[in-house]
Amino acid sequence: GENVEQHPSTLSVQEGDSAVIKCTYSDSASNYFPWYKQELGKRPQLIIDIRSNVGEKKDQRIAVTLNKTAKHFSLHITETQPEDSAVYFCAARYSSASKIIFGSGTRLSIRP
Amino acid sequence: GAVVSQHPSWVICKSGTSVKIECRSLDFQATTMFWYRQFPKQSLMLMATSNEGSKATYEQGVEKDKFLINHASLTLSTLTVTSAHPEDSSFYICSARTSETDTQYFGPGTRLTVL
Repeated sequence: GENVEQHPSTLSVQEGDSAVIKCTYSDSASNYFPWYKQELGKRPQLIIDIRSNVGEKKDQRIAVTLNKTAKHFSLHITETQPEDSAVYFCAARYSSASKIIFGSGTRLSIRP
Repeated sequence: GAVVSQHPSWVICKSGTSVKIECRSLDFQATTMFWYRQFPKQSLMLMATSNEGSKATYEQGVEKDKFLINHASLTLSTLTVTSAHPEDSSFYICSARTSETDTQYFGPGTRLTVL
C-alpha cells in the first residue's frame, strides 16, 4: 500500500552545520513531493516541494533532491539556525488517488 | 493568498456528544479537501478525502459513520465526530487543494478534547 518512510526520527546538529533528512516512497507513480515544517501546536508549513520531472531544487538554505529510480528524496538544510528547530515531514502524492501521504516526521534540534 | 481557516480552534466536549469542525478556503476554491488527525508526537494520518458535491473517500480503518464529512461547497468542508469518546481526543487538521496545483494548504487545526 501507500507508504512513506522517513529517517531519522530525531536529529540534533550544531548551529551552523548541515542537516539531512531522508525519505523513501513506495508508489513509483508518485509525482509530487512536498516538505513541511511544523512547530508545536501549529499547522504544517510548506517549505519546499519538488516534482518528479526535476532532480534537485534549492531555495536559499534549503534544498531537496529526488532519485526516482531509487524512490528516495532528501531534505538538506545548510547553515542551520536555532529557528530551524521543529518537526519536519516529508510527503508524497500518490497520483492514483490524488492524496498526500506523510512520513513519520523528524524532530530537528539545533544546538547553540 | 491560499488561506485555509478552521473553526473552532479548540473544543472540549463530554463523552457521547457530537462535535462539528469547519474547514474553509478563504480566497480560493477548493475542489478537494483532506482531513487529517494527529496524535501527540506523531505524524499526520489521513482520515478522508473530500470532493465537492460527492461522498468522501475514507482511509482504511476510519469509520465513516463516526466521522461524517460534508463538502457542500467549493469553500467549505465539515467534519462531525459523532458519539465522541476520549480516544477521539486529537488534533484535527484539514487541508485544501485547488484544481490547478498539487499544493495543499493547511488549516490551523482543531484540538479536540473529549472528557
